[in-house]
Amino acid sequence: DIVVTQSPDSLAVSLGERATINCKSSQSVLYSSNNKNYLGWYQQKPGQPPKLLIYWASIRESGVPDRFSGSGSGTDFTLTINSLQAEDVAVYYCQQYYSTPWTFGQGTNLEIK
Amino acid sequence: QVQLVESGGGVIQPGKSLRLSCAASGFSFSRYGMHWVRQAPGKGLEWLAAIWYDGSNEYYATSVKGRFTISRDNPKNTLFLQMNSLRLEDTAVYYCVREGDDSKLDRWGQGSLVTVSP
Repeated sequence: DIVVTQSPDSLAVSLGERATINCKSSQSVLYSSNNKNYLGWYQQKPGQPPKLLIYWASIRESGVPDRFSGSGSGTDFTLTINSLQAEDVAVYYCQQYYSTPWTFGQGTNLEIK
Repeated sequence: QVQLVESGGGVIQPGKSLRLSCAASGFSFSRYGMHWVRQAPGKGLEWLAAIWYDGSNEYYATSVKGRFTISRDNPKNTLFLQMNSLRLEDTAVYYCVREGDDSKLDRWGQGSLVTVSP
């Protein structure tokens, strides 16, 4: 199984500042035949189901604000939230879909400082 | 609009069986792969199982392989999760999830709580 590890486990950032969450997979999730990274990012607010933010490591889902961006390739990925808003308080998960079983990172709890 | 509504959760004793259902609407259910993902209280997300759009292939997490079975009824737009030999550690909210284009988990139900308790 591919193990996905996020860092940090929790993060406190001031309003208007940038938040950075890292995600590392135990093996590459880059599929060479199409040059796509099989990595997604999800946001989960309390009492709600997760919401897709980013897929293919860097493609923003429709309707997601452009302050959210994803980057990275192979085994190392980053979710960046620019100009943090109060509504961005949530737990963020990365997930690989390169091979079954699909696996999630343990989550990063983002709070306002 | 896309809707996924889980049902069938509740309190169940260890060793018993339970079947979850997920009613899909607002999209062509038979065109999409579907998944189950769970979340234990206060914990992270755990992917459990997936099934192809036509039901021809299934995939499972190691933790549930041999105990849980994913299936679907395309004419009735319904996804199922049959859970056997339930354990205390299976207590969780179970989400029904659509695998959209580009293999992304793009639509999630609100979840159904399963509590395994003596």
